[in-house]
Amino acid sequence: NAGVTQTPKFQVLKTGQSMTLQCAQDMNHEYMSWYRQDPGMGLRLIHYSVGAGITDQGEVPNGYNVSRSTTEDFPLRLLSAAPSQTSVYFCASSPDRGRTEQYFGPGTRLTVT
Amino acid sequence: GENVEQHPSTLSVQEGDSAVIKCTYSDSASNYFPWYKQELGKRPQLIIDIRSNVGEKKDQRIAVTLNKTAKHFSLHITETQPEDSAVYFCAAPGGSNYKLTFGKGTLLTVNP
Repeated sequence: NAGVTQTPKFQVLKTGQSMTLQCAQDMNHEYMSWYRQDPGMGLRLIHYSVGAGITDQGEVPNGYNVSRSTTEDFPLRLLSAAPSQTSVYFCASSPDRGRTEQYFGPGTRLTVT
Repeated sequence: GENVEQHPSTLSVQEGDSAVIKCTYSDSASNYFPWYKQELGKRPQLIIDIRSNVGEKKDQRIAVTLNKTAKHFSLHITETQPEDSAVYFCAAPGGSNYKLTFGKGTLLTVNP
């Protein structure tokens, strides 16, 4: 099993550009989530999904969209990138909601200039 | 929503000493308390977790204690080794089944 994979590993965007961060898992987990990690701020939940076709907002959803058309994939879209979105983004999955081990992907380091 | 406070933000110990990291939470409905370790440049990984029906759980040199009355839980690492150096995060779900709130992290440095 590859576990949770994310692409790209690194990305530089200009303000106003849009892009999609990819996340996929091969563990047949129903629950998937996106976090951003900023220095001194811990991991903050952006959006999550409890199954295909079902998504909901986390703590910091503004400026991001998600969709979940399959169990495996959970892409995160930045609609119009801003410097405040410079961060490291982690995708995670778990077999049962949020109250079991979450398996994190390797992360995407995004810089918005 | 849940509010998780984690202390200290940095901790430096000598190899072989013990390290303790503490977290408090606000939502009495929280019943699952994981701890994650993140090495530099790597992804967070679960090292231990505890559910509210127990007060303590051990796994070799790592232990977690939970005080539901006081709403705090702690990570204890004994006989620290240089490879324990990392950022450690606590988390709690609050009353939600899905929204895990993380503490801001503790940078642990173990000096040889």
